[in-house]
Amino acid sequence: AQSVTQPDIHITVSEGASLELRCNYSYGATPYLFWYVQSPGQGLQLLLKYFSGDTLVQGIKGFEAEFKRSQSSFNLRKPSVHWSDAAEYFCAGATSGTYKYIFGTGTRLKVLA
Amino acid sequence: KAGVTQTPRYLIKTRGQQVTLSCSPISGHRSVSWYQQTPGQGLQFLFEYFSETQRNKGNFPGRFSGRQFSNSRSEMNVSTLELGDSALYLCASSLEVAAPAQYFGPGTRLLVL
Repeated sequence: AQSVTQPDIHITVSEGASLELRCNYSYGATPYLFWYVQSPGQGLQLLLKYFSGDTLVQGIKGFEAEFKRSQSSFNLRKPSVHWSDAAEYFCAGATSGTYKYIFGTGTRLKVLA
Repeated sequence: KAGVTQTPRYLIKTRGQQVTLSCSPISGHRSVSWYQQTPGQGLQFLFEYFSETQRNKGNFPGRFSGRQFSNSRSEMNVSTLELGDSALYLCASSLEVAAPAQYFGPGTRLLVL
């Protein structure tokens, strides 16, 4: 069955530190992959997406993600975290021709001042 | 360009009642998907509409239904509400291109008492 896994439920980092959020996928073929961020009480905002081509994807707010086929991973990174990055982050996958996303369970990021 | 809008933002209902939620997609987007978000189950796909036709459906009981109008606006209906239907209902719209990226609205928070 298709699945998207985010192994870390909570992550705490200090402001200014680097960040890496993990995402693993299980699909028959390479899916389209996305990262979204959700602030409390809000909808989801698209950070970045991977469809094909360059495996390092740049997104908004200084985020990037790297697609690694050999590891079935699509980890999100940011070199220096800001307090405003505290939120919940969701990885999602979809196959071609459908908007039926499968979401991971999310990683809640806490940023220490 | 205006984002995805959802009305109402908050709703309180009692068990057994029915509810209708509305979603207006981004102008030019013809695909609309609905998701249910709960602390226990996370983000789960409900259904997807394109050009007034349901293209995909998630694993929800028949009490959950939806429709899409010719202007791409969409509604979802939940009949005979149960306590477990309390959730944040998110609508997302997409431009129909080969590589899907969904843009989410702020959601409707439904509380069933």
